[in-house]
Amino acid sequence: SAVISQKPSRDICQRGTSLTIQCQVDSQVTMMFWYRQQPGQSLTLIATANQGSEATYESGFVIDKFPISRPNLTFSTLTVSNMSPEDSSIYLCSVQQGMNTEAFFGQGTRLTVV
Amino acid sequence: DAKTTQPTSMDCAEGRAANLPCNHSTISGNEYVYWYRQIHSQGPQYIIHGLKNNETNEMASLIITEDRKSSTLILPHATLRDTAVYYCIVRGPYAGGTSYGKLTFGQGTILTVHP
Repeated sequence: SAVISQKPSRDICQRGTSLTIQCQVDSQVTMMFWYRQQPGQSLTLIATANQGSEATYESGFVIDKFPISRPNLTFSTLTVSNMSPEDSSIYLCSVQQGMNTEAFFGQGTRLTVV
Repeated sequence: DAKTTQPTSMDCAEGRAANLPCNHSTISGNEYVYWYRQIHSQGPQYIIHGLKNNETNEMASLIITEDRKSSTLILPHATLRDTAVYYCIVRGPYAGGTSYGKLTFGQGTILTVHP
């Protein structure tokens, strides 16, 4: 399995600001994903991070709010823009080494917006 | 991907087998059954997956019924560290473009292992 490092592990941010979350993998992976887990809820897929092209967003998520970069096969960032208290969640990076293989998850970034 | 139904919560005594059921009556022939768990404040952990045959690894066993409409995850000797939310997910194969076999998480089963 891949070793996934997410930074920061947690943060407290002021409303109206932006936070960029980093996801670093110890080996090249085919697919990278970003999830959100709101308090007391299950995980929801935000988008697939595509290397060298725009991310593919799920219904209800837009690029202006959650811009994503993936410059290579081991690294991706998710930015939460113009934050409000409703953005307080755990954000998780997930990777797959192949198209149809199991996914592995980072430990998440716990974001609190005040 | 097919929808799954799991009990909201279950209890298990430490050292006993934990049997977690999952219904997926609309599963298609090429869809896999995946199990993940999430221990409090951690990212989800992959446990096991299968298509139609029973599977076993160092963590658990997966029993899939012959008609594939339901499955059971078995933790043979539950410990306190197995207390977590367990997610059963049905996932189709990657089909190109945006139709990839994504993981759709439901509410899962809260398993509590007690001494």
